[in-house]
Amino acid sequence: QLHLTQSGAELKMPGASVKVSCSLSGNTLDQLPIHWVRQTPGQGLEWMGGFDSGPGGPMYARKFQGRVTMTEDTFENTAYMELSSLTSDDTAVYFCTIRRRWFGPSFEVRWFDPWGQGTQVTVSS
Amino acid sequence: DIQMTQSPSSLAASLGDTVTITCRATQYISRSLNWYQQKPGKAPSLLIHAESILESGVPSRFSGSGSGTGFTLTISSLQPEDFATYYCQQTFSIPYSFGQGTRLEIK
Repeated sequence: QLHLTQSGAELKMPGASVKVSCSLSGNTLDQLPIHWVRQTPGQGLEWMGGFDSGPGGPMYARKFQGRVTMTEDTFENTAYMELSSLTSDDTAVYFCTIRRRWFGPSFEVRWFDPWGQGTQVTVSS
Repeated sequence: DIQMTQSPSSLAASLGDTVTITCRATQYISRSLNWYQQKPGKAPSLLIHAESILESGVPSRFSGSGSGTGFTLTISSLQPEDFATYYCQQTFSIPYSFGQGTRLEIK
């Protein structure tokens, strides 16, 4: 059974960076693309980016491009999301999740399951 | 970018009621619509993917339907554990986007 375990809560100063980890058990990262979603009271659930199957690096939402870096350590079976130049607007719970995919007769569908437990990141001076 | 609009934003119902939550996309998304349930302090949990496919272990009182741009989640015979927040999500194109959520409360 797949399970994602995230690192603990973080308190950061404005302008700093944060790196959140997400460890996968039950399979290997090279088989399962990890995506990141954050949740804020004001914006709700926001997709930040993630990996797709096959070659190539992660895709990032335009909003976070230039500030976010997503990486994977296949030896440790752990994914990481680093967000830089933090502001109070980045105060949120950050989730990792696995992007699933199924090919129908004439279409493809994707969904996210399971999810990590979430990591609270608070940005405050 | 595709925007997802859920309605209502909150809903009060009684045990045993049937409720319907609506989600509308700003453009055609085929069957690329998922529904999640979230309880306070927990991560979202997948209920339905591909518009109408129920996840293993999800009670059959949950059902989903749609028409390419408009989608509904129906919960029949509400149980105490169903009171939560529900989100729709489109995965037709990047950036994947979520509805703003529907909070289902006990009347």
